Parts: sequence; C-alpha cells; structure tokens
Amino acid sequence: AQSVTQLDSQVPVFEEAPVELRCNYSSSVSVYLFWYVQYPNQGLQLLLKYLSGSTLVKGINGFEAEFNKSQTSFHLRKPSVHISDTAEYFCAVSVAGGTSYGKLTFGQGTILTVHP
Amino acid sequence: KAGVTQTPRYLIKTRGQQVTLSCSPISGHRSVSWYQQTPGQGLQFLFEYFSETQRNKGNFPGRFSGRQFSNSRSEMNVSTLELGDSALYLCASSLDSINEKLFFGSGTQLSVL
Repeated sequence: AQSVTQLDSQVPVFEEAPVELRCNYSSSVSVYLFWYVQYPNQGLQLLLKYLSGSTLVKGINGFEAEFNKSQTSFHLRKPSVHISDTAEYFCAVSVAGGTSYGKLTFGQGTILTVHP
Repeated sequence: KAGVTQTPRYLIKTRGQQVTLSCSPISGHRSVSWYQQTPGQGLQFLFEYFSETQRNKGNFPGRFSGRQFSNSRSEMNVSTLELGDSALYLCASSLDSINEKLFFGSGTQLSVL
C-alpha cells in the first residue's frame, strides 16, 4: 500500500516570498507523483506530475517540484507567491505501471495562505 | 470544451435514505473516477469505471456503488445513508490511463441529517 504525508497542515506566507510545501511518501513499488490544488468550492486542478526522467518538474502557475527517491520526497516550491495562490494543496501518488486505474492516494493537504 | 459536470451541486438527505449522484465527463474521456472528501479522512478513492466496466475499487462498504453508461456518463449511488456519509463527492475523468491528467468536477456536497 502507498501512503502520503504532507508535513505542514498550514503554511502562512507573505506575498512575493518563496514557499515550499513538503510531501513524503511511502511505497514498496514504483510510484508516480502529483501535486493538485483546490480553490474554495472547486474541484482539484493538476499543478504538475512526475512519471519518470528529470527529477525537477515544472508545472503551471510558476510551481515546480523535485523528486528525491532516496528521501522519498516530492516537495513543491514557488519562488514568489501571489495572493491568488491561496488555496489547499494536495500531494498524491499512484502505482506506476498502468494498473492504478484512477486511484490516487492523497495526502491530508496543506493550506497555503498568502498575506499582503 | 466543457469540463467535468457534476449534479446536483448540493444535496440534503436524512439517515436511511438513498442518493444518486451524476457525473458527465469531458467529451472523449472514457475513464471516470469517484472520490469522497471529508475533513477527517481527506480524499479517498471510491471506484473507477472505463467503458462501462468497474476496473478498480477502494475500501468502501457495499452501500456505495456506481455505474457507467455507454456515453461515459457515470452515476454513484449510496444506499441506507449514514451521518458519516456527509462529504464532498468528487468525480474525475481522463482519457484512460493514470498517466493522464485527472480532470475533477466541482463536486456534489452531500449532507446527511
């Protein structure tokens, strides 16, 4: 089975400051990794995904994440945040190899609040 | 291109009743997944359908069921509702594989009284 731990439930930050949202995972098999964002009263939107290849993944809205296999981490970063980045962010994994069929295992979420 | 549409947006039921939620995927998407989101348990996978067949199932009791129609629209049903079934139910569609992006709808907020 897979599990995902998001190390911070809430992260407050000032506008234009950098931010890092931390994610660690546990799995006995190879996984794919994802970050999703959820704005209030909306569904989830994919920010970025890691399937294979380069460990630095760039996503939408200026976000990037780095896959670290030895530390089983997939931390999300943005060099300069905006008020509009205020939302809840979810790290997720799926089993690699094509048998997950829609099943993602999510972390508990990190609420990012950007203050002016 | 229209996104994933879930209806209704809000639903209030009482214990013991049953409920049916609907999901229309993005045109051309054949895979539909369902998730339950609660403050305590977070996001949990319910099941996934592809071409009218359930390919994967999460750890939920048999009161939770679903189906998919030939046009890829999907419904999920919860029978004998319990207070703990109060949640946001999210539907997601994709072309097929987990390699693809999952496109989520805005969800159906179910309240069980």
